[in-house]
Amino acid sequence: NAGVTQTPKFQVLKTGQSMTLQCAQDMNHNSMYWYRQDPGMGLRLIYYSASEGTTDKGEVPNGYNVSRLNKREFSLRLESAAPSQTSVYFCASSGQRWLPQHFGDGTRLSIL
Amino acid sequence: KQEVTQIPAALSVPEGENLVLNCSFTDSAIYNLQWFRQDPGKGLTSLLLIQSSQREQTSGRLNASLDKSSGRSTLYIAASQPGDSATYLCAVRPEGGSEKLVFGKGTKLTVNP
Repeated sequence: NAGVTQTPKFQVLKTGQSMTLQCAQDMNHNSMYWYRQDPGMGLRLIYYSASEGTTDKGEVPNGYNVSRLNKREFSLRLESAAPSQTSVYFCASSGQRWLPQHFGDGTRLSIL
Repeated sequence: KQEVTQIPAALSVPEGENLVLNCSFTDSAIYNLQWFRQDPGKGLTSLLLIQSSQREQTSGRLNASLDKSSGRSTLYIAASQPGDSATYLCAVRPEGGSEKLVFGKGTKLTVNP
């Protein structure tokens, strides 16, 4: 059972470069989420998608865009990377609001 | 604004000890509360989820309780083992249809053999 799969696992970018983080889930979940985890800050929600075709901003959306490509896939794009976006990014999914969220293993992103 | 606090930030215990991790939240209007485990370099693994109408949930050696009115939850780990060493996070889902989880910063647990 793959669960939530994130690619890539590690990435180093230069300031100003763009990249897309990929996330796919095989649990037929409606809701998908992108979080970032920073030392001393905990996990913070960037964007979420409550269903296919919808996306909404979370707590820290600036500098990011998302696409809910289909029910399985939810991507996060950095258009012009900044050092402040150095973080560990987690994708999660959930079937219903009252059910647990399931997380991927994360993407460790460094921006120089 | 909902805030979640976990105390202590780090805890070191000898193997076999029973222990309690604490989580407090400032707004009692929550839909549910979830406890996670995070191993170094890994994602979060869901341990227990307690709905707002429930008082506790159990899974093996883990027991989580919820006192919604006082804004507190505890995670009890019985007969701790070195394999329990990890960071434990709690998160609340606010009421009102929010999709957002509000996380605490975690308690780093070390169980010494």
